[in-house]
Amino acid sequence: EDQVTQSPEALRLQEGESSSLNCSYTVSGLRGLFWYRQDPGKGPEFLFTLYSAGEEKEKERLKATLTKKESFLHITAPKPEDSATYLCAVLGNFNKFYFGSGTKLNVKP
Amino acid sequence: GAGVSQSPSNKVTEKGKDVELRCDPISGHTALYWYRQRLGQGLEFLIYFQGNSAPDKSGLPSDRFSAERTGESVSTLTIQRTQQEDSAVYLCASSPHPGLASSEQFFGPGTRLTVL
Repeated sequence: EDQVTQSPEALRLQEGESSSLNCSYTVSGLRGLFWYRQDPGKGPEFLFTLYSAGEEKEKERLKATLTKKESFLHITAPKPEDSATYLCAVLGNFNKFYFGSGTKLNVKP
Repeated sequence: GAGVSQSPSNKVTEKGKDVELRCDPISGHTALYWYRQRLGQGLEFLIYFQGNSAPDKSGLPSDRFSAERTGESVSTLTIQRTQQEDSAVYLCASSPHPGLASSEQFFGPGTRLTVL
């Protein structure tokens, strides 16, 4: 069964405490893996797209990596404004997007 | 320029009624997407338009759901004979890139549908 699983469901960090979010997938024919940030009451905001194993992308304190089975979103020295729900999505064969249920990140000052 | 807009922002309806949700994408964006997000769950992909055409409608949850797009612009998602399980936030996104695997989708704020 094609699915995307994100862990942990929730993560509480102190400001400056680096960590990683995981997105594992069992989707046939990966055509792209996407990371989004979603703030309460708003639509998701695009962060990264990764297309092949070994690929990495960075944006400010965030770095996304991809293997054949999973992706990690590394957050370095997070700030309170990084608090949000982070969503992972995979585009597989048959033109279907599969979203994980997200990791809710809370960064305390 | 304006981002993706959706209307209404909130809709409360009675079970069995029909509802129509509207999405205005960013001008010039050729691709348009509809998603459903149930409370506490991830996004569920519903349908994708390239121009005015939807190549694959199999993501729509049932035959009560339909969607159309006109003028390579506004799109409407219609739910007939609404059921309580249809209650969710319906999100629309658009992209300037023609292919599904193209990267950036710009999301609207969503329409929160509540079916009583």
